[in-house]
Amino acid sequence: EPEVTQTPSHQVTQMGQEVILRCVPISNHLYFYWYRQILGQKVEFLVSFYNNEISEKSEIFDDQFSVERPDGSNFTLKIRSTKLEDSAMYFCASSYTGELFFGEGSRLTVL
Amino acid sequence: SQQGEEDPQALSIQEGENATMNCSYKTSINNLQWYRQNSGRGLVHLILIRSNEREKHSGRLRVTLDTSKKSSSLLITASRAADTASYFCANRPSGSARQLTFGSGTQLTVLP
Repeated sequence: EPEVTQTPSHQVTQMGQEVILRCVPISNHLYFYWYRQILGQKVEFLVSFYNNEISEKSEIFDDQFSVERPDGSNFTLKIRSTKLEDSAMYFCASSYTGELFFGEGSRLTVL
Repeated sequence: SQQGEEDPQALSIQEGENATMNCSYKTSINNLQWYRQNSGRGLVHLILIRSNEREKHSGRLRVTLDTSKKSSSLLITASRAADTASYFCANRPSGSARQLTFGSGTQLTVLP
């Protein structure tokens, strides 16, 4: 069964460092998303991406965040200068119609 | 504003019993979805109900939607220990192209 894969599964970084989280969405899907979940809290929408551009973003997705689909398969989330409060589980998802298919997440720990 | 708030926050039942979780939301929606999350894992889509539907079934799952009350319920019948997980409702507000807004979730524990 096709699945969304994410790397790395866990990344530890120092505050102020740049981080890139990678995702390979399901191949025939058209819509791509990043969500985050701070430990013990709800899943929060960050950004959606369609036709090689951002279609929606939340207020969390400020100038320190960016997304890219550099080739036909990868979908990346970059955090330019990490803060302590960026520590969270980051989930990539893709969809073709209404339902989202999520990856297993990348746990980011900012020290 | 908060959307998609589930209750109860936590539910503990015996295997074989039914589990009912409720979700409320604030704005008009295109559809409402339920997802499941095992601890530390990704979310798995369970069922989608459109705003013009009132009830939907999938295996042991039954979802209802009452748009007049802005609420939905998820019923899991004949629960199993493997159903232990967090369950989230998520809605796509009208006017939103693709964004899903998740609730806080119900932590279900099914005791063997």
